[in-house]
Amino acid sequence: GNSVTQMEGPVTLSEEAFLTINCTYTATGYPSLFWYVQYPGEGLQLLLKATKADDKGSNKGFEATYRKETTSFHLEKGSVQVSDSAVYFCALSDQVSGAAGNKLTFGGGTRVLVKP
Amino acid sequence: KAGVTQTPRYLIKTRGQQVTLSCSPISGHRSVSWYQQTPGQGLQFLFEYFSETQRNKGNFPGRFSGRQFSNSRSEMNVSTLELGDSALYLCASSLGDRGLQETQYFGPGTRLLVL
Repeated sequence: GNSVTQMEGPVTLSEEAFLTINCTYTATGYPSLFWYVQYPGEGLQLLLKATKADDKGSNKGFEATYRKETTSFHLEKGSVQVSDSAVYFCALSDQVSGAAGNKLTFGGGTRVLVKP
Repeated sequence: KAGVTQTPRYLIKTRGQQVTLSCSPISGHRSVSWYQQTPGQGLQFLFEYFSETQRNKGNFPGRFSGRQFSNSRSEMNVSTLELGDSALYLCASSLGDRGLQETQYFGPGTRLLVL
C-alpha cells in the first residue's frame, strides 16, 4: 500500500536557523501531498499542500515542492522562530480500495524544538 | 467560518465501558473522517462518512463504529473499551467531492483515557 516516510526527530534548532524536514512517499496514482502541524495539546492544522507534480505549497514562510521524480515533499523554512516548535506531519491522500473519497496516510511525525 | 468542533475534549472511562464522541464539521462540508492517534501507532484512519453513509473504512475491529446525521454531524462509538483504546481521536471534515485533491481540516480532538 501507499506509505509516507519522514525523518525522525527531534530536530533541535536555534532561532533564525534554516529548517528542513525530509519526507518521501510511495504511492500509485497521483495523490495530493500535505504538511500538517500539531502544537501541544491540539489537533492538526493544515500547513500547506500540493496537488500535482512540481507544485509548490507555501504558507507562513514554509515551503514544500511536490517532486514526482524523487517521490519527495521536503518541508523547508528559511528562519525559524520559537513559535515554530511543534510536531510536523507529512501526509498523502490515498484511495481506499478504489472507493470514492479518500483517506490520509501519515508519516510518523517530526518533533521540532526551536531554542531562543 | 467556524472550524471543526469535537466534544468532549477529554474523557476517562474504564475497561468494558462504551463511549460516544461527537464531531461537527465545517459548514458546507459533507464528509467526516475519523483518525486515532497514539504514540505507538501514530495516526491511523478509522472511517469516513459522506451523506450519512460510511464510504470508507480502515482496519479497526467492529467495536469501532460511527454514524453521520443529515446535518453532516458525526458520532463515533467505541464499545467494550480496552486499555489500548486510549488515544487522541481526531475528526476531520472536507467537502467530500474532490477525490484525491480533497483537503481535510481537523478538529482539536478528543483525548480518551481508558483505565
